[in-house]
Amino acid sequence: GESVGLHLPTLSVQEGDNSIINCAYSNSASDYFIWYKQESGKGPQFIIDIRSNMDKRQGQRVTVLLNKTVKHLSLQIAATQPGDSAVYFCAENSDFGAGGTSYGKLTFGQGTILTVHP
Amino acid sequence: DGGITQSPKYLFRKEGQNVTLSCEQNLNHDAMYWYRQDPGQGLRLIYYSQIVNDFQKGDIAEGYSVSREKKESFPLTVTSAQKNPTAFYLCASSIEGRGTGGTHNEQFFGPGTRLTVL
Repeated sequence: GESVGLHLPTLSVQEGDNSIINCAYSNSASDYFIWYKQESGKGPQFIIDIRSNMDKRQGQRVTVLLNKTVKHLSLQIAATQPGDSAVYFCAENSDFGAGGTSYGKLTFGQGTILTVHP
Repeated sequence: DGGITQSPKYLFRKEGQNVTLSCEQNLNHDAMYWYRQDPGQGLRLIYYSQIVNDFQKGDIAEGYSVSREKKESFPLTVTSAQKNPTAFYLCASSIEGRGTGGTHNEQFFGPGTRLTVL
């Protein structure tokens, strides 16, 4: 029988190209954002983070851009390599709690599959 | 080496049986989390614990139970009440769960346990 399920957004690039992965978040009160990389059968790995008081942050070969006006986050990977092939998740942190105690909670996006062709 | 370990990597269960997934961290983190990941989907929060002897339900807690008797351990029991338990289970930890101004909530993930119900 036919299986039905969600299909993640996909991005295919050639080795050496730049990649841009996008993410829309939902909570305007979110104050901290993280990008994770997940390889098949493994747990997510931290790539880069950004606070809500910034609009750009750079790491090694990666840049995260934050547009709070439209609640949009992007991850740019420079000179993409085959080892970058993975699923990429964005996560937003928002505070919640009651009685004067606040806790942070991460909410993960659906993910984007990045495939890099040699 | 510091990190998060999960065991076993693969687990098979017969319908109607309870099963417990192990998660241990030696990062001295206060907060620990359990997520469920289904094929082609993002992470959904099952339970979380901010400190020892305290835990809270996440978004999909029905059919699951946890305990937090020690800071380094946060086992998850998948009970027979969970109707569709086959999934990839991820444990994570963070320095602290509090999201008060300027606090990170970067979560570090274990390698995951793939549970299959036969």
